[in-house]
Formats: sequence, structure tokens, C-alpha cells
Amino acid sequence: DPKIIQKPKYLVAVTGSEKILICEQYLGHNAMYWYRQSAKKPLEFMFSYSYQKLMDNQTASSRFQPQSSKKNHLDLQITALKPDDSATYFCASSQEGDQDTQYFGPGTRLLVL
Amino acid sequence: GEQVEQLPSILRVQEGSSASINCSYEDSASNYFPWYKQEPGENPKLIIDIRSNMERKQIQELIVLLDKKAKRFSLHITDTQPGDSAMYFCAARENYGNEKITFGAGTKLTIKP
Repeated sequence: DPKIIQKPKYLVAVTGSEKILICEQYLGHNAMYWYRQSAKKPLEFMFSYSYQKLMDNQTASSRFQPQSSKKNHLDLQITALKPDDSATYFCASSQEGDQDTQYFGPGTRLLVL
Repeated sequence: GEQVEQLPSILRVQEGSSASINCSYEDSASNYFPWYKQEPGENPKLIIDIRSNMERKQIQELIVLLDKKAKRFSLHITDTQPGDSAMYFCAARENYGNEKITFGAGTKLTIKP
């Protein structure tokens, strides 16, 4: 969906480095999410935010930290990158009051060498 | 947490015939069941969904059925076309004021000409 912007589209990083994945949505939604998809696992829920507050965190590692500077932004900071972090990271959003329907961004494809 | 099983993982059908994908879930509190279609290199796109107060929903060639007692739901694509070839994911959302959606492992559908 062109109204959900994720940057960059592709990202190559070295093991041990830190990267920030950007997500902005222009759908007027109040809830935002991060999902991860890799060859080893299906779409995997990571975080949900509502009105810039963390609602749910299903990521075991503290190396993954969402950051919400504005209501329509939810970035994902990943520290101490590992090769196993290689995946496509999808941001999604939904409308308060219609929280069921989540719309996905185009994804950031991360490769950790 | 919720677990969603999706079968089959690979499905090949002749163009013009029907394709069926079956999913089951564990948490009887789940109340929302979306289906997403994902083409190679693209993001998942919502194609149809069903809520727990319904047993059947149809949008054009897509039919979803929900059996709450058996905790099963299914997607049926009638009169399949080459453009239906893609990955399909079922999902379930728990009714705890929690926006987490749990996805099945996906079905790779190929329509044979």
C-alpha cells in the first residue's frame, strides 16, 4: 500500500552493527505494528502500538526496540545484528475502532552478513 | 498464545477449478479471521476476512467458512485463474483487546493452465 512507507526497501548490514528501519503511514491510523517474515518462519508478530504506546511485545530479544516519535511513525531499531535477523520486516497499521483490519507496508528486506 | 495451523502448504490446481485452504486455531476467544494474499516480492494484502458472528462470507470468487465449534476456517477460491497463483496466509486474532494477529504458515497456490 503506497500510503504506508517503509525505508529502506533493501538493507545490507554487517554482524554486530545497528540499523533503524523506518515506517510511516498516511492512512490516519492510530495503531501500528511490526512483523517479520523469513524463509524459516511464517509472518511473525513482533510489536503493536496504539496511540504511540506499546500494547504488545512478542519479541524475546531486547535488541529489537520500536520507536514512535509521531502517531504515524513506528521505527524499529535493531542492535547487535546477527545473521539470523535476516528477514523481511513488515510494518502494518489499522484504524482505532476498526482494529481488526491491518494493512501492510511494502517491507524492508534486511540481510545481515 | 494462539496457534494457527494451515494446510496444505503447497496446492496445485487446474485453471478453472476450485482451490481450498484449511486452517485451525486453538484459542476459542479468537474472534477475527483474515486471509492475506502475498505475491513474490510483495507485501501481504488482505483479500477477505470473517468475524466470529458469521459462518460464511463471499466476495466474488472468494468464499470463507468459519466453524467456531470445531475451531476451523477455510478459504475457497472458485473458478481459479492464473492471477490467483500466490502465497495465501490465514490468521486469527484473539479477543483480549490485543491487536496481535497470529498467522498460519502459508499455502503456496499454483494454478496450472
